[in-house]
Amino acid sequence: LAKTTQPISMDSYEGQEVNITCSHNNIATNDYITWYQQFPSQGPRFIIQGYKTKVTNEVASLFIPADRKSSTLSLPRVSLSDTAVYYCLVGLGNILTGGGNKLTFGTGTQLKVEL
Amino acid sequence: DAGITQSPRHKVTETGTPVTLRCHQTENHRYMYWYRQDPGHGLRLIHYSYGVKDTDKGEVSDGYSVSRSKTEDFLLTLESATSSQTSVYFCAIGAGLAGDNEQFFGPGTRLTVL
Repeated sequence: LAKTTQPISMDSYEGQEVNITCSHNNIATNDYITWYQQFPSQGPRFIIQGYKTKVTNEVASLFIPADRKSSTLSLPRVSLSDTAVYYCLVGLGNILTGGGNKLTFGTGTQLKVEL
Repeated sequence: DAGITQSPRHKVTETGTPVTLRCHQTENHRYMYWYRQDPGHGLRLIHYSYGVKDTDKGEVSDGYSVSRSKTEDFLLTLESATSSQTSVYFCAIGAGLAGDNEQFFGPGTRLTVL
């Protein structure tokens, strides 16, 4: 399973754009990159997933360079409610094709948003 | 939100006693997972299931067993609880489609082993 490295914590202010970078130097050809968000006393929640280039949805963007050895989660105009732990995961999407959904969550990045 | 429930939500037990945690889903997803979450360790996979009666170990499976006799239920059993198994346990489900790493998590069970 590919190991990921991300900052332990980040601070920001409301209205700012936040970029959280994750490194995954040993990502495999078939691995996808997935980000989850977790609030205290809740289970993680899926944010976004990508394989290469850029993916955007209603809450975030995911930037993946050509070598795929890192990825950046971008949260536009954060608010206090975005204060949470963000996890970067790398792995396959299908157990039957090998590593599958045996995703490693790691310790994540604690994002704190202030007024 | 995905239809996934865990029971009990809180449990206090004593060292050496068996404990069973239940995960129930109404989404008919093929894949189900048990994780534990501890300070400083993030979430760690205990066991997972890729179908009825099909299970496999995760990274921290020692001291745990699982069973899945029906699509909707995934049971986690601590054969003989120890204080090191005090943790928050999360169940998750996933469709497991190719290229899809989206898992839906339950509300968690806080287990304390005295």
